[in-house]
Amino acid sequence: KAGVTQTPRYLIKTRGQQVTLSCSPISGHRSVSWYQQTPGQGLQFLFEYFSETQRNKGNFPGRFSGRQFSNSRSEMNVSTLELGDSALYLCASSPGDRRNTEAFFGQGTRLTVV
Amino acid sequence: AQSVTQPDIHITVSEGASLELRCNYSYGATPYLFWYVQSPGQGLQLLLKYFSGDTLVQGIKGFEAEFKRSQSSFNLRKPSVHWSDAAEYFCAVGTLKTSYDKVIFGPGTSLSVIP
Repeated sequence: KAGVTQTPRYLIKTRGQQVTLSCSPISGHRSVSWYQQTPGQGLQFLFEYFSETQRNKGNFPGRFSGRQFSNSRSEMNVSTLELGDSALYLCASSPGDRRNTEAFFGQGTRLTVV
Repeated sequence: AQSVTQPDIHITVSEGASLELRCNYSYGATPYLFWYVQSPGQGLQLLLKYFSGDTLVQGIKGFEAEFKRSQSSFNLRKPSVHWSDAAEYFCAVGTLKTSYDKVIFGPGTSLSVIP
């Protein structure tokens, strides 16, 4: 069974640009969560999508958005990039059944904003 | 407020030595507890989890953790560390009342292993 796939693995963007990251969850998983990981702030929850709907959202500005498609693949978009957006962005996939809270992480996308 | 603390930012052990990584949590409801490991440049891999039942939980790679409600702790242990265990370790806590998106991660403990 294939794991969680995130693309691209590495990305370099300029301040002010926008970026789209992609996450393909494990087959059959309906929930996709996104996290930002930085040395200073650690792992911070961005948002979760379940069945194409945003189910929960963390404390990030509106520049961070996402969506989920009918095949459960998810994309995350960051507009008007700032230097502080440089981070490892991790996607986590889970069945979405609230009785099973185990999630599986992808390898992440390393975003560098210059 | 809900929180997870990992008192040790960095730990260095010799290969073959025993290991204990500390985790303390503050959570109002019955917790679900996890330990994840992250190798450099990689995502997080689940080592073990505690939902209920036996408070001593066995995980992958020879790791185990013990849930102590009275101390609000969930320490990770390994009797003999291998060089490949060098990585970042994260303790995390969630509850049955919320889905995985509400899991809170600790700041992590970086483990170095001396050959």
